[in-house]
Amino acid sequence: NAGVTQTPKFQVLKTGQSMTLQCAQDMNHNSMYWYRQDPGMGLRLIYYSASEGTTDKGEVPNGYNVSRLNKREFSLRLESAAPSQTSVYFCASRRTGISNQPQHFGDGTRLSIL
Amino acid sequence: AQKITQTQPGMFVQEKEAVTLDCTYDTSDPSYGLFWYKQPSSGEMIFLIYQGSYDQQNATEGRYSLNFQKARKSANLVISTSQLGDSAMYFCAMREAETGYSTLTFGKGTMLLVSP
Repeated sequence: NAGVTQTPKFQVLKTGQSMTLQCAQDMNHNSMYWYRQDPGMGLRLIYYSASEGTTDKGEVPNGYNVSRLNKREFSLRLESAAPSQTSVYFCASRRTGISNQPQHFGDGTRLSIL
Repeated sequence: AQKITQTQPGMFVQEKEAVTLDCTYDTSDPSYGLFWYKQPSSGEMIFLIYQGSYDQQNATEGRYSLNFQKARKSANLVISTSQLGDSAMYFCAMREAETGYSTLTFGKGTMLLVSP
């Protein structure tokens, strides 16, 4: 079972460059999420998509954009990367409608902005 | 105010002993859920256990149990009979109905080290 797949796993960018982090899930989940994890900060929600065709801001959306391409795919774009965006990025998905369903996470993307 | 507080940055335990990882939360929503995740050094996030605010009994999953004290707003994770493979970062997270569609708020985590 693939679950949630994130690409790439590692990336180094220069300040000002742009890139898109890809996320795909094969569990037929409605909701998808993007988090960033910084040392000592836990995970913080960047954007989420409750269902195909909808996206909403989370706690730390500045500097990011998202696209829910279809039910399977949810991408995160950095238009002009900044060193403050150096982080580990996690994508997650969840089956909705049942309260005890957890979010399932991808393995993460380690992003360094020089 | 932090919604999820994990006061123990690090915990040490000997193999085969039990350990409790603390988590307190803050919400005015009567309907909420509490989750614990494990993050080993390899980096992936592994779901461990869930407790709903209306659940009458404490949740259990194998060696993991949740000591849920609703009036005190605490949801401590108990790991019985620790194993070396339990060494990892542990995160407590809360889902509130008011914060959006099933979004989670995470604590800062507790690093658990299990020694032989």
